[in-house]
Amino acid sequence: AQSVAQPEDQVNVAEGNPLTVKCTYSVSGNPYLFWYVQYPNRGLQFLLKYITGDNLVKGSYGFEAEFNKSQTSFHLKKPSALVSDSALYFCAVRDRNNNDMRFGAGTRLTVKP
Amino acid sequence: DSGVTQTPKHLITATGQRVTLRCSPRSGDLSVYWYQQSLDQGLQFLIQYYNGEERAKGNILERFSAQQFPDLHSELNLSSLELGDSALYFCASSGRDPFSEQYFGPGTRLTVT
Repeated sequence: AQSVAQPEDQVNVAEGNPLTVKCTYSVSGNPYLFWYVQYPNRGLQFLLKYITGDNLVKGSYGFEAEFNKSQTSFHLKKPSALVSDSALYFCAVRDRNNNDMRFGAGTRLTVKP
Repeated sequence: DSGVTQTPKHLITATGQRVTLRCSPRSGDLSVYWYQQSLDQGLQFLIQYYNGEERAKGNILERFSAQQFPDLHSELNLSSLELGDSALYFCASSGRDPFSEQYFGPGTRLTVT
């Protein structure tokens, strides 16, 4: 079965600095990969996904993620962090042969002014 | 606004009781997913329905059941409630393709006392 690991519970960055939220996955075949963000007392919101093709995926709010097959990673990045980016970020993977989505444990991003 | 609605927003009940959570998917979405989010377990996939049929099952307890009706709304039934069932319950919906992103509702916060 597929699985996702987000090795960092917490990431702290200063406003204006680049940010990276890490994600690694395990799946038997080729994956579909997703990033979601959760603001306090809200449901998860879709940010971006990788299906196939270009390894660099661009998404909402200036976020992007790089798919690296050899390292089985799908790290989320943003060149310049905003205080409003502070939230809980979830990586998710779906095996192309399977129907359920597996989410990582989440990484809490705090951007300080 | 994701287009997914959930009712009620909050629910407080006693141990041993039974509750029903309701979800209406985005217009046109045939798939509905249920998730449980708690502090110690993270986001756990419970079950998926597609056009009225059960499609995938995750970590759903036998005390829990779900169904999707002909109008595509879904209900999650939780019975013999325990203190540990206190959590946020999210519903999500998606299109028919396995690489479709999921759109999450605002959640139902269940408190079992």
